[in-house]
Amino acid sequence: DAGVTQSPTHLIKTRGQQVTLRCSPKSGHDTVSWYQQALGQGPQFIFQYYEEEERQRGNFPDRFSGHQFPNYSSELNVNALLLGDSALYLCASSSDLNTEAFFGQGTRLTVV
Amino acid sequence: EDQVTQSPEALRLQEGESSSLNCSYTVSGLRGLFWYRQDPGKGPEFLFTLYSAGEEKEKERLKATLTKKESFLHITAPKPEDSATYLCAVQAGWDSGNTPLVFGKGTRLSVIA
Repeated sequence: DAGVTQSPTHLIKTRGQQVTLRCSPKSGHDTVSWYQQALGQGPQFIFQYYEEEERQRGNFPDRFSGHQFPNYSSELNVNALLLGDSALYLCASSSDLNTEAFFGQGTRLTVV
Repeated sequence: EDQVTQSPEALRLQEGESSSLNCSYTVSGLRGLFWYRQDPGKGPEFLFTLYSAGEEKEKERLKATLTKKESFLHITAPKPEDSATYLCAVQAGWDSGNTPLVFGKGTRLSVIA
């Protein structure tokens, strides 16, 4: 079992650009959640996808959007990047029947 | 608002020196409390889930306990490889499906040989 996989691992973008991050959930999991982790902070919830729909959303602007595909994989899109968007972006997968969430290795996004 | 506070922010131990990390929480109906280990630049690694006060779980040198207001992660005879940031998170509410995790800022543990 490959666990939760994220791509790319590192990314450097310029202010104002757009970025897409990708996540493949653990086998058997149908729910994908995205978190943003700034340096020295705990992860902050962005949104969650289940059955290809956004089910819950945290306190993030609508520059942050996402998508879930029929195979349960997911994308996180961020438009009009700001310097403050620089962070480690984490994907977590879980089963809708089980609360335990497993995280991927993350994508380190640097905005310059 | 659901909140998680972890203490201390950083902890430095000698190899073999046992200690405990604290996670205090306020939540509207605890569904589960989670402990994760995170190495620098990596994603959090799942350690334990606790669901009700009085519950305890163990894994190697780690033992997690839960009360109605806080959780402790006890580390017995730590080794240098236990050095990492330990994150505590709560899941609140009883809506259908998985509600999001609310994390603390973590405790940075350093174990010196």
